[in-house]
Amino acid sequence: QSVLTQPPSVSAAPGQKVTISCSGSGSNIGNNYVCWYQQLPGTAPKLLIYENKKRPSGIPDRFSGSKSGASATLGITGLHTGDEADYYCGTWDGSLGAVVFGGGTKLTVL
Amino acid sequence: QVQLQESGPGLVKPSQALSLTCTVSGGSISSGSYYWSWIRQPAGKALEWIGRVYPSGSTNYNPSLKSRVTISVDSSKNQFSLTLSSVTAADTAVYYCASGVQGRSHLDSWGQGTLVTVSS
Repeated sequence: QSVLTQPPSVSAAPGQKVTISCSGSGSNIGNNYVCWYQQLPGTAPKLLIYENKKRPSGIPDRFSGSKSGASATLGITGLHTGDEADYYCGTWDGSLGAVVFGGGTKLTVL
Repeated sequence: QVQLQESGPGLVKPSQALSLTCTVSGGSISSGSYYWSWIRQPAGKALEWIGRVYPSGSTNYNPSLKSRVTISVDSSKNQFSLTLSSVTAADTAVYYCASGVQGRSHLDSWGQGTLVTVSS
């Protein structure tokens, strides 16, 4: 059971937009920055979004992040098959004194 | 960005200790700007943070693993290591090393991962 809650799967058609939610509490998302990782099949996770909405160099602006209260959202526009991956949210949990992750969301581009 | 590479045994017997090393290239492990982490992922499951070490040697560990985990830095080799004691089959996973910026929890560089299987 992960500390952060994500939907197990989402799907959308090529060219469309999808959002992935990440729900936590005041001890984690509510009082800390959120980040998002993309994990393509058989590869290591890659940082996609940090500090709620910032993109590392090289990440296209099709990817966006937002946070409100104890929840965060990853948005992906202009979907293509290369976006099919598992997406994880992460943050610091002050009560646990640890980095925590969501359970991951599998994106399928139909 | 630095590059990271995990190394260590792929097979460990139950009750023994799992030991992995992460070699850092493209930057100094002693840099005051970074910390160094271990994360694991059982097959088909989510990421699990194991812990992190700062260049000073200070550490933070996942409370669920704290009694069995040691993470340390070897500045002379530009490496950091993970030791997990008393392993069971539940510790079978892909183990990743990663780096993060001090003061932030996001991990900006990751190794490719190494599969460790616990079996007799």
